[in-house]
Amino acid sequence: NAGVMQNPRHLVRRRGQEARLRCSPMKGHSHVYWYRQLPEEGLKFMVYLQKENIIDESGMPKERFSAEFPKEGPSILRIQQVVRGDSAAYFCASSPNRGTDTQYFGPGTRLTVL
Amino acid sequence: LAKTTQPISMDSYEGQEVNITCSHNNIATNDYITWYQQFPSQGPRFIIQGYKTKVTNEVASLFIPADRKSSTLSLPRVSLSDTAVYYCLVGNGNNAGNMLTFGGGTRLMVKP
Repeated sequence: NAGVMQNPRHLVRRRGQEARLRCSPMKGHSHVYWYRQLPEEGLKFMVYLQKENIIDESGMPKERFSAEFPKEGPSILRIQQVVRGDSAAYFCASSPNRGTDTQYFGPGTRLTVL
Repeated sequence: LAKTTQPISMDSYEGQEVNITCSHNNIATNDYITWYQQFPSQGPRFIIQGYKTKVTNEVASLFIPADRKSSTLSLPRVSLSDTAVYYCLVGNGNNAGNMLTFGGGTRLMVKP
C-alpha cells in the first residue's frame, strides 16, 4: 500500500508565478490535510478537505491560496502570484476517517520563490 | 484550543532511555494525546497515541497521569537514528484546527 505521495518534491518559482502542489492520499483515505512548515518551526495547519469539500480552511491565507480535492485525482494546493514569504515546505497528510485516527504524512514539497 | 509546552531541545547518548514531557494544562475531556517524530526533510511520522494511563507499542511508551495535564514520551535505548524533532499534539479531531496544531517540538540529539 503506497503511502501519501506528493509532487513535485522541489519547486522553484519566480515572484508572481503560480505554484501547484499535488497530493495523492493513501489508498482508501478520503480526508486530506495541508500544512506549511517554515525553517526551524513546527507545522502550521492550512486546510482540511474531504472529497469535493473543504471542511476547514481556517489556516489558509485569505488571498492567493486555494485548495481542492476533486472526486477524481489528487488534492491540489494552489498558490497564485507567489512571493518570497511563500518559500516553505508544504506537507500533505491523509487519514481514513475524521477524529482520533492517525494522520499519514507525505514527504513534502519544498517551494523556493526567487 | 489546548496548547502544549515541550522543552526546545534535549541531548542524550546511545543506549540511554529518553523521556520527553509535554504540558497541556487545558486539555479537554475528549482530547487525545498524540506524538509525532520528524526527521530533517521528511514529513512527520506517527509514534504513539493515548488517552490516559499508559500506552506501549514497539517504538515507545506514553505515560499520562490521572489529571492528564501532562504526558511523557519514553524512548527506550535510543540510537543515533532517533535524532529528530518530536511533537506532542492534543485534540479530538472533531475540530480539525484543534487536532492538527503542532507546537515547536523537542529537538532530540542522540550522541555516540
